[in-house]
Amino acid sequence: NAGVMQNPRHLVRRRGQEARLRCSPMKGHSHVYWYRQLPEEGLKFMVYLQKENIIDESGMPKERFSAEFPKEGPSILRIQQVVRGDSAAYFCASSPYSTGSYNEQFFGPGTRLTVL
Amino acid sequence: KQEVTQIPAALSVPEGENLVLNCSFTDSAIYNLQWFRQDPGKGLTSLLLIQSSQREQTSGRLNASLDKSSGRSTLYIAASQPGDSATYLCAVSGANNLFFGTGTRLTVIP
Repeated sequence: NAGVMQNPRHLVRRRGQEARLRCSPMKGHSHVYWYRQLPEEGLKFMVYLQKENIIDESGMPKERFSAEFPKEGPSILRIQQVVRGDSAAYFCASSPYSTGSYNEQFFGPGTRLTVL
Repeated sequence: KQEVTQIPAALSVPEGENLVLNCSFTDSAIYNLQWFRQDPGKGLTSLLLIQSSQREQTSGRLNASLDKSSGRSTLYIAASQPGDSATYLCAVSGANNLFFGTGTRLTVIP
């Protein structure tokens, strides 16, 4: 059973370009979470999605950032018109349940975005 | 808003020592608490999950405790090894997400 997969592992973009980060959850998991880790900071929640639905986007920046989890295919985190401050590691996690004490989140290896 | 604090920020110990990492959180209304390990430039590996109704969990040389009422958790590592060197992260679960501490960077000296 493959774990959470993220690609690309490293992404370099110039200011103003778009970045697309992909996440495939573990088999059987229908809940996906995105977190961002800025240099020398802790992980911060961005968004929680189920198939075709955004459940909680309270951690998403108001502009330039969007996320989706289509019926088929991976979850996508999209950053438009990237700026240097977007440089960070972006982690995706998945879980089999939505909430509750048994809800363990499993993390992917992350995508390290560098904005030149 | 939930805030998670980990002390110390960094710890260096000789091989073979037992050690304790601390985690505190401000809101006791949590579903569970997870301890993770993060190696430099890598992802997160889940070490232990303690459900809100539990007091502790053990896995090999690791033991984690949870005291919800005081908002505290500890991760005990027995007989430390150089391979244990990593950053250890504590995370508590809210309704839809995890709240992370900034981690303790552990170095085990051979």
